Amino acid sequence: SAVISQKPSRDICQRGTSLTIQCQVDSQVTMMFWYRQQPGQSLTLIATANQGSEATYESGFVIDKFPISRPNLTFSTLTVSNLSPEDSSIYLCSVGRDRLPYEQYFGPGTRLTVT
Amino acid sequence: DQQVKQNSPSLSVQEGRISILNCDYTNSMFDYFLWYKKYPAEGPTFLISISSIKDKNEDGRFTVFLNKSAKHLSLHIVPSQPGDSAVYFCAASSGNTGKLIFGQGTTLQVKP
Repeated sequence: SAVISQKPSRDICQRGTSLTIQCQVDSQVTMMFWYRQQPGQSLTLIATANQGSEATYESGFVIDKFPISRPNLTFSTLTVSNLSPEDSSIYLCSVGRDRLPYEQYFGPGTRLTVT
Repeated sequence: DQQVKQNSPSLSVQEGRISILNCDYTNSMFDYFLWYKKYPAEGPTFLISISSIKDKNEDGRFTVFLNKSAKHLSLHIVPSQPGDSAVYFCAASSGNTGKLIFGQGTTLQVKP
């Protein structure tokens, strides 16, 4: 399994601002993912971050709101833009094993509170 | 449309006894199922998986059972320990996209 770190671990942001979350992996990985866990809810996939190409977004998530960068095989960022209180969640990055059973390994998460 | 469901939000068991966590799914195209454990302020940790072509997979104290006809899987923890107290998520995947769809989670409390 990979060692995954995220920065920041938590933040409190004002409405209308943006927060960029960094995800660093200790080894090169092909598949990286970004998830959101709203309070009391399950993990919802935001997008798949592909190195060298545009991220692939899930239904209900758009690039303007959640721009993602993947400059290399060990790093990715997720920006949550134009923040509203509804964006208060835990944001998690994960890396996927590239062979069966394709399990994913998660970072510790970033807890975002929007005031 | 919730494709993966965990209908029990919480479960409490006595230390040493068996914990059984349940999960139902609707999409027959899922080919792998996984269980994750999550402690507060940490990311989910992969526990165990099972292929859709099998009906049981065992790893130490953890066993996952799959009933494809009922679209149901369960995680058995025997014997349960207080350190097992956490939120457990089941997840499912299909194809080689690597994407996972998670259930809502079940909070397990193991009492000493």
